[in-house]
Amino acid sequence: DGGITQSPKYLFRKEGQNVTLSCEQNLNHDAMYWYRQDPGQGLRLIYYSQIVNDFQKGDIAEGYSVSREKKESFPLTVTSAQKNPTAFYLCASSWGQGTGELFFGEGSRLTVL
Amino acid sequence: AQTVTQSQPEMSVQEAETVTLSCTYDTSESNYYLFWYKQPPSRQMILVIRQEAYKQQNATENRFSVNFQKAAKSFSLKISDSQLGDTAMYFCAFISQGAQKLVFGQGTRLTINP
Repeated sequence: DGGITQSPKYLFRKEGQNVTLSCEQNLNHDAMYWYRQDPGQGLRLIYYSQIVNDFQKGDIAEGYSVSREKKESFPLTVTSAQKNPTAFYLCASSWGQGTGELFFGEGSRLTVL
Repeated sequence: AQTVTQSQPEMSVQEAETVTLSCTYDTSESNYYLFWYKQPPSRQMILVIRQEAYKQQNATENRFSVNFQKAAKSFSLKISDSQLGDTAMYFCAFISQGAQKLVFGQGTRLTINP
């Protein structure tokens, strides 16, 4: 079945450590996105990519980095520079035509101790 | 910049009742799309319904329908004959035609009680 797979679902890390969240899709979508979800704040865009080897900053990119070496994969690294990394992270993909229909993964819950 | 506002952080209704979730947005664009997304407790977000701004007819999907008021910039979601499985966070979202970034509201937590 086609879909988006995020891993791990739960992740605990010590403060100061970089962590990488995986996102893989087999929907043949061109565009991929990373959102951060915090209670009462909805979803905020971290980074997005419309094509392989290219990506753009979203609204809250500071402290995060991404790569898009393959169409299917869009990993997100939460660096030690991110001041408040504990959050729920959602990966999504779309055909990239600007029509807004996103397909989401199940999310990754990161807790920094 | 476009903004999306959901003024109801939480709502609760009895099973089989009808419930309406509110959403307003702010934009100077004339061509855009509006969405309602559902995030059940299992956390995977799914699309519920979509509305193109150029269409006057309100979108419907089975028990889900919208009331799209373009002049008022309002986009409410009505759930008829609510079911326990409708319990979820609901997010209203907006995107300008041709844009790449979807703008989400803060969400409404809906609980359907038996």
